Amino acid sequence: DAMVIQNPRYQVTQFGKPVTLSCSQTLNHNVMYWYQQKSSQAPKLLFHYYDKDFNNEADTPDNFQSRRPNTSFCFLDIRSPGLGDAAMYLCATSRDPPRPDTQYFGPGTRLTVL
Amino acid sequence: EDQVTQSPEALRLQEGESSSLNCSYTVSGLRGLFWYRQDPGKGPEFLFTLYSAGEEKEKERLKATLTKKESFLHITAPKPEDSATYLCAVLSRQTSGSRLTFGEGTQLTVNP
Repeated sequence: DAMVIQNPRYQVTQFGKPVTLSCSQTLNHNVMYWYQQKSSQAPKLLFHYYDKDFNNEADTPDNFQSRRPNTSFCFLDIRSPGLGDAAMYLCATSRDPPRPDTQYFGPGTRLTVL
Repeated sequence: EDQVTQSPEALRLQEGESSSLNCSYTVSGLRGLFWYRQDPGKGPEFLFTLYSAGEEKEKERLKATLTKKESFLHITAPKPEDSATYLCAVLSRQTSGSRLTFGEGTQLTVNP
């Protein structure tokens, strides 16, 4: 089945220790997104790639970076995680054109910062 | 600025007790409204996309409808396995690219 895969499902890191989360997709979608979701809150968009073009949200901290080496893979790098970065990180994909389409989410990576 | 408000925040139903969840939105030119289901500790699972007022979609016990100001997710004869948080999101002409604006969700509990 075509899907969005995130690894690892659970990640524990130490305060200030860089961490990388990964996302892959078999849907062949050209748009990929990274969201942060804290407990009982709505997902918050961090950035997205439209094909190779990177689009950063204005309020995304510089601590968060992303890479998309090819269509299928996208990475989220947190350079110096703080306690406030503990959250669920969601990857999503969609297809555009002919029009912005449904976003399909992966299972998420739960990040714990000690 | 786009706004999405979901109500109620939480809803408890008995098995078989039908009800509706509401999603009110204020956007500058709706391009699409999306319903997702999210189980604890998991990513949102896509349910429906609605593009224009008057549109309706159904899947098993769920039916989504759309007007110019709001969307309803009707749940008919719910079962305990329907317990989850239901998220509504909109895509508007005002936002750049494909950025969704999410509501805070309705947490549904269905008791056996």
